[in-house]
Amino acid sequence: AQSVTQPDIHITVSEGASLELRCNYSYGATPYLFWYVQSPGQGLQLLLKYFSGDTLVQGIKGFEAEFKRSQSSFNLRKPSVHWSDAAEYFCAGSVGSQGNLIFGKGTKLSVKP
Amino acid sequence: DGGITQSPKYLFRKEGQNVTLSCEQNLNHDAMYWYRQDPGQGLRLIYYSQIVNDFQKGDIAEGYSVSREKKESFPLTVTSAQKNPTAFYLCASSPLGMGQPQHFGDGTRLSIL
Repeated sequence: AQSVTQPDIHITVSEGASLELRCNYSYGATPYLFWYVQSPGQGLQLLLKYFSGDTLVQGIKGFEAEFKRSQSSFNLRKPSVHWSDAAEYFCAGSVGSQGNLIFGKGTKLSVKP
Repeated sequence: DGGITQSPKYLFRKEGQNVTLSCEQNLNHDAMYWYRQDPGQGLRLIYYSQIVNDFQKGDIAEGYSVSREKKESFPLTVTSAQKNPTAFYLCASSPLGMGQPQHFGDGTRLSIL
């Protein structure tokens, strides 16, 4: 079955430290992959997306993600975290023409001053 | 600015009552989606529509109904058959086609009185 897994439910990092959020996918074919961010009580905002080509994808707010086919992973990274990055992050994938997304269960990021 | 508007932001339902959540978009997107979000569960697809007057069930359609009479509008009715309706409901839209990212509204929080 198709699935997207985010192994970490909650991560805490210090402000200014680097960040990596993990995402693994299970699809029959290479999916389109997305990272979204959600602030409390808000909708989801698209950070970045991977379709094909370069395996390192740049997004908004200084985020990047690396697609690794051999590991079925699409991890999100940021070199230096700001307090405003505290939010919940969702990885999602889709295949085929319908475009329906399968979401991971999310990783909540807390930032220590 | 183009976007997705969900209303109301907060909604309360009495036992045995149907309630309708509004979703309007001015992005000229063909596809629209409804998701339910529960803590620690990620987003689960309720219904989606790719064209006016047509829609398909998602993973958790029981107890919900939708209509798509206009391209811009995709209201969701939570019926009395939905025994656990307390959740955060998110509406999204996207262009048709493979790998199109979805754009989200700010959600409606539904609670039981």
